[in-house]
Amino acid sequence: NAGVMQNPRHLVRRRGQEARLRCSPMKGHSHVYWYRQLPEEGLKFMVYLQKENIIDESGMPKERFSAEFPKEGPSILRIQQVVRGDSAAYFCASSLRSGAFTDTQYFGPGTRLTVL
Amino acid sequence: KQEVTQIPAALSVPEGENLVLNCSFTDSAIYNLQWFRQDPGKGLTSLLLIQSSQREQTSGRLNASLDKSSGRSTLYIAASQPGDSATYLCAVSADTGNQFYFGTGTSLTVIP
Repeated sequence: NAGVMQNPRHLVRRRGQEARLRCSPMKGHSHVYWYRQLPEEGLKFMVYLQKENIIDESGMPKERFSAEFPKEGPSILRIQQVVRGDSAAYFCASSLRSGAFTDTQYFGPGTRLTVL
Repeated sequence: KQEVTQIPAALSVPEGENLVLNCSFTDSAIYNLQWFRQDPGKGLTSLLLIQSSQREQTSGRLNASLDKSSGRSTLYIAASQPGDSATYLCAVSADTGNQFYFGTGTSLTVIP
């Protein structure tokens, strides 16, 4: 059973470009979470999605960031018009049941975004 | 808002030593606490999950304890090995909400 898969593993963008990060949850998992790890900081929750629904986006920046988890295919975290401050590691996690308090979350290897 | 602190930020020990990593959190209304391991450039590996009703969990050479009322958890590693070198992260989930709150981690180096 493959774990959580994220691609690309490394992504380099110039300021103003768009970044698309993809996450495929573990087989059978329909709950996906995105976290961001800034340099020298802990992981910070961004958004929680179920298939076709955003459940909690309280950690998402109000502008330029969006996330989706379509019925078919991976979850996508999209960052428009990237700035240098977006450089970070972005981790995706998935769980079998809903919410952190009912089940453990399994993390992917992360996508390391560098904005030049 | 939940704040999670891990002390020390970095730790270096000779191989074979037993060691303790500390985690504290400000809001005791948690549902569970989880310890993760993060290797450089890699994702997170779950080590131990402690439900709020539990006081400890053990897996091999690892033992994690939870004192919910005082807002503290410890991760005990017995007979440390060079392969244990990594960053160890503590995360708590609130009994409402959908996220884990992470500490900034303890970077452990075990010297052969």
